[in-house]
Formats: sequence, C-alpha cells, structure tokens
Amino acid sequence: SQTIHQWPATLVQPVGSPLSLECTVEGTSNPNLYWYRQAAGRGLQLLFYSVGIGQISSEVPQNLSASRPQDRQFILSSKKLLLSDSGFYLCAWSVGGLVSQGGSYNSPLHFGNGTRLTVT
Amino acid sequence: GIQVEQSPPDLILQEGANSTLRCNFSDSVNNLQWFHQNPWGQLINLFYIPSGTKQNGRLSATTVATERYSLLYISSSQTTDSGVYFCAVVGAGGTSYGKLTFGQGTILTVHP
Repeated sequence: SQTIHQWPATLVQPVGSPLSLECTVEGTSNPNLYWYRQAAGRGLQLLFYSVGIGQISSEVPQNLSASRPQDRQFILSSKKLLLSDSGFYLCAWSVGGLVSQGGSYNSPLHFGNGTRLTVT
Repeated sequence: GIQVEQSPPDLILQEGANSTLRCNFSDSVNNLQWFHQNPWGQLINLFYIPSGTKQNGRLSATTVATERYSLLYISSSQTTDSGVYFCAVVGAGGTSYGKLTFGQGTILTVHP
C-alpha cells in the first residue's frame, strides 16, 4: 500500500533562516505531488504541484520554492523565512498520468501528517 | 477559478445528534473529497465522491453534480467527531492535474 511521510512534524525557526521540508511517498510510481499551506486553522491553499521529476508549478507568488529531485520526493524550501511563512504545511500525492486533454481526473488526494512551522 | 462554499461555518451538537454539512461549488467538478481534520491537524479522507451516494458507518455523503452541491451526513454524533470538516474539489475545466480547491471548512464541536 502507499504511504506518505513528512518531516519534521514541528519546526520553530527564526526570521531570516533557511527552510527545508521534505515529503516522500512509498508504494507508487510517478505520483502527482502537492504542497498546501493552512493558516489560522481554516482553508488550505495550494502552493506548488509537480507531475514529474524537475517539473514544478507554482500557484501563488511567495517566499517559498519547491523541488522534486527524485520521483517520490518533494521538497519545500526558503532561503530566508518571513514571519508570514508561519503555518501548517501539508504534502499530498495522487495517482499520476490520469489527466486527459479534456481535464478529466479520477484519483483522490492523500495527505501527509503535516509540518507545523512557527517563524519567530 | 472554482469557488467552494461550506455551511454552516460552525456547528455545536450534543452527543447522539445528527447533522448535515453542505458544500456548494461554482462549476463542474471531476473530483470531490470530504476530509476530517482532527485536533492534531491530520487530514483524514472521508469520501471521494464526485457524484452519487456513499456510506461508511455513521457517515454518508451525497453529491449532486448537476446541481453543484454535496452533503455530508453524520448520524449519532460522538465527541470524537469533533474537528473541522473540509470539502475540496477539482474543477472540470481545462487540465487540472488533480489540484484540489478547498472550502473554508465547518468546525464541528460535539459535547458529551
């Protein structure tokens, strides 16, 4: 069966410090991968998604970046954290390769346990 | 992009009561999921239900895609049902790569 791992679970970082959050998926190949952020306990916002190695799409302009160095590894980074980067970050995966030109998509997303980031 | 509205925003119940949560969306969808976020922040998949009706124990869900809404039913609620319930959809237009758009959630509190 497929599993998704995120670490660390919690992180406290000073303003201006770098960030690296890692997410890995097991038990599947060529998954679609996603980074979401949740602020103030309500609503999740999509930050990045990836449909393959080295292919990253950004949904919102921000202080963060993402990379996919391996098929099942997705990394969220920042060179210098801002106070506004605090939040709950969740990684997710879905079955890749299901998208047609018409946009049909029939695979649920599965989320990791998240990383709670506090920037002080 | 597609808009997702959930109601009510907050719901307080006594243990044993039944409830209905609603999710309205502004356009056709290829995917609709209901999640429960527990106090530790974990997002638990409840249903993958782009159309039709499904049941899982005390929970059931119905999506009427043609009318652009979905309902989540919780029967005989328990204190462990407390948390935030999210509806999320993938819009059918264009090539979406499965990107979920979330509603703002319903905060459910069940008192013993």
